[in-house]
Amino acid sequence: EAQVTQNPRYLITVTGKKLTVTCSQNMNHEYMSWYRQDPGLGLRQIYYSMNVEVTDKGDVPEGYKVSRKEKRNFPLILESPSPNQTSLYFCASSLTALTEAFFGQGTRLTVV
Amino acid sequence: AQTVTQSQPEMSVQEAETVTLSCTYDTSESDYYLFWYKQPPSRQMILVIRQEAYKQQNATENRFSVNFQKAAKSFSLKISDSQLGDAAMYFCAYFRNNDMRFGAGTRLTVKP
Repeated sequence: EAQVTQNPRYLITVTGKKLTVTCSQNMNHEYMSWYRQDPGLGLRQIYYSMNVEVTDKGDVPEGYKVSRKEKRNFPLILESPSPNQTSLYFCASSLTALTEAFFGQGTRLTVV
Repeated sequence: AQTVTQSQPEMSVQEAETVTLSCTYDTSESDYYLFWYKQPPSRQMILVIRQEAYKQQNATENRFSVNFQKAAKSFSLKISDSQLGDAAMYFCAYFRNNDMRFGAGTRLTVKP
C-alpha cells in the first residue's frame, strides 16, 4: 500500500532534549516536505526537499533541521525543542512539487 | 509573501444541500497552483481538488467544484449534495516555486 509513515504519532518531551520525527515513503517520490499545523494558522511549511541531498527552508524553519540521505526518508530534527514548538506535524511526499501530495498521519508533539 | 485567507472559520450545511467555502489569496504572480485539502477527524490530509492558474476552466471532481476568479484572486469550493462524510476541516492552499501556503481552515459541519 502506498503511504507516508511518520513516527511517533504522539510525543511528549522536555525543553532542550533533542528529538527526531521520522518520515518514510514507499512511492519513490522525489519531493518531500514538513509542515506544522497550529490552530488558526493552518499548515505552515518548515522544510522541503526536491531530491536526495537537496533541502531548503520553508516558511518557518527556525529551530528545525532536516536531512535527505535516502530518497524514501526525510527526518525532522529538533536539536533543542522549546514549548513554542508544541504542534501537530505533518510529513508529505509527491512525485514532483506540483503533483498530488500524500500526507502522513501526523505527529502530535508536546514540549513541556 | 503570498497569503491565503479563509474568512469563514466555521460553516454548516444540511445533508444533501450545497455549500460554498471561500478562499482568497494574495500574489503578484501569474503562474501558480491552488488546492483544496480536506482534514477529517482522523487528521489525515486528503487532496480534494486542484486548479492550475493558467487554466481558465474551473476544476471539478464529482460533487466538488471550484469557482476560480483569477483577477479577483478568489478560489471558492462548492460541495454539492453534501454528505455526512464531508464533515471536516477544509484548507485552501497556494503553491508556487516549492512554496506552499495554507489558509487557516474552515470547519464544515453537516447536519442530518
